[in-house]
Amino acid sequence: DVKVTQSSRYLVKRTGEKVFLECVQDMDHENMFWYRQDPGLGLRLIYFSYDVKMKEKGDIPEGYSVSREKKERFSLILESASTNQTSMYLCASSFAGTPNEQFFGPGTRLTVL
Amino acid sequence: AQSVTQLDSQVPVFEEAPVELRCNYSSSVSVYLFWYVQYPNQGLQLLLKYLSGSTLVKGINGFEAEFNKSQTSFHLRKPSVHISDTAEYFCAVRTGGFKTIFGAGTRLFVKA
Repeated sequence: DVKVTQSSRYLVKRTGEKVFLECVQDMDHENMFWYRQDPGLGLRLIYFSYDVKMKEKGDIPEGYSVSREKKERFSLILESASTNQTSMYLCASSFAGTPNEQFFGPGTRLTVL
Repeated sequence: AQSVTQLDSQVPVFEEAPVELRCNYSSSVSVYLFWYVQYPNQGLQLLLKYLSGSTLVKGINGFEAEFNKSQTSFHLRKPSVHISDTAEYFCAVRTGGFKTIFGAGTRLFVKA
């Protein structure tokens, strides 16, 4: 079974803090993704990585950065958290190529106060 | 540009009744279509996918979907739902490239 794990299920941070969300997959997938999920908006892609140290911006990259130093690990960084970044964050991974399905982690619910 | 529209934000239904969750997409090229399910406090998992071939696709847990190219639709159906089917369902479309476009989701609420 593919397993995608996220470092925290729930996280509470203060405005201005630097926040790290970690994601690890165990299936040797090339692609990894970070999404933000908000009610009524579905999933919106923040960043995508197709290989170690490689990344592409998604639809809403502002205020976020990512790091992929190892194939199995993909980190999302909020440089200076703001209240409008309160959301559910989902990590996913897949094999390279179209049209491989994505496998999702359980999500991290981040609250920024 | 691609887009996905899930026509119902919420669908309440009684247990053992049939259900249809509607999804329309727009794309000028060939598409691959997916339905994902998200149970409470969990990530998304794949329910079924259409890549090519037969337009009727069967998935897990008794769900099926029909790809209709002329209507640009990919509606999800189940002939008899269970309480355990209560979840949020997402339709998604992918063409080439790395992006998958997700709909806004439909909350299915199965009542006893």
